Amino acid sequence: DTAVSQTPKYLVTQMGNDKSIKCEQNLGHDTMYWYKQDSKKFLKIMFSYNNKELIINETVPNRFSPKSPDKAHLNLHINSLELGDSAVYFCASSQDTARADTQYFGPGTRLTVL
Amino acid sequence: GDSVTQMEGPVTLSEEAFLTINCTYTATGYPSLFWYVQYPGEGLQLLLKATKADDKGSNKGFEATYRKETTSFHLEKGSVQVSDSAVYFCALSAPGGGFKTIFGAGTRLFVKA
Repeated sequence: DTAVSQTPKYLVTQMGNDKSIKCEQNLGHDTMYWYKQDSKKFLKIMFSYNNKELIINETVPNRFSPKSPDKAHLNLHINSLELGDSAVYFCASSQDTARADTQYFGPGTRLTVL
Repeated sequence: GDSVTQMEGPVTLSEEAFLTINCTYTATGYPSLFWYVQYPGEGLQLLLKATKADDKGSNKGFEATYRKETTSFHLEKGSVQVSDSAVYFCALSAPGGGFKTIFGAGTRLFVKA
């Protein structure tokens, strides 16, 4: 039983297109996250939701819009894709936002913008 | 702001060698410290963590001790295996940062048979 799942695993698209990545967790966690990992493996947080409310919104272009329909889902929609958006995007979840909380990561979505 | 600095890789070792990956941090308040591991083609998973000074986290033969006086959390393993080849991330979660998890840049480890 997969704890944190993402779809699709691979996404290849043209510049200017709009695409979405979906994430679901079956751990009963209250908090979910989106991270971007670049080609050098540097991991940067983009957004975090707690009980469907946005609590972290880093400096991310407003072409990126997260949506949390319920506690178990956090989707990421990207408008007008650019070459620099190519990266691996990870969804993660944790029980809540406590300081010692472990984060559980999905398998990642590799986005390639041509 | 809060930050994590870890040694640059890649680190290449022979099987059964001793491993150390250095990690130092800057944080306001008293952070929790973590090591995550990312195997090829997978997401990150927690390797170990420590929540207060002098705590030692351990798992799968890996250990790290929370050193407040040197603001460090170095990862060690006495005898690495080929299957330990992965990218290792040091991370912290601190009250000053709203408990947002800050990750280091990652250190790639290659273990040769």
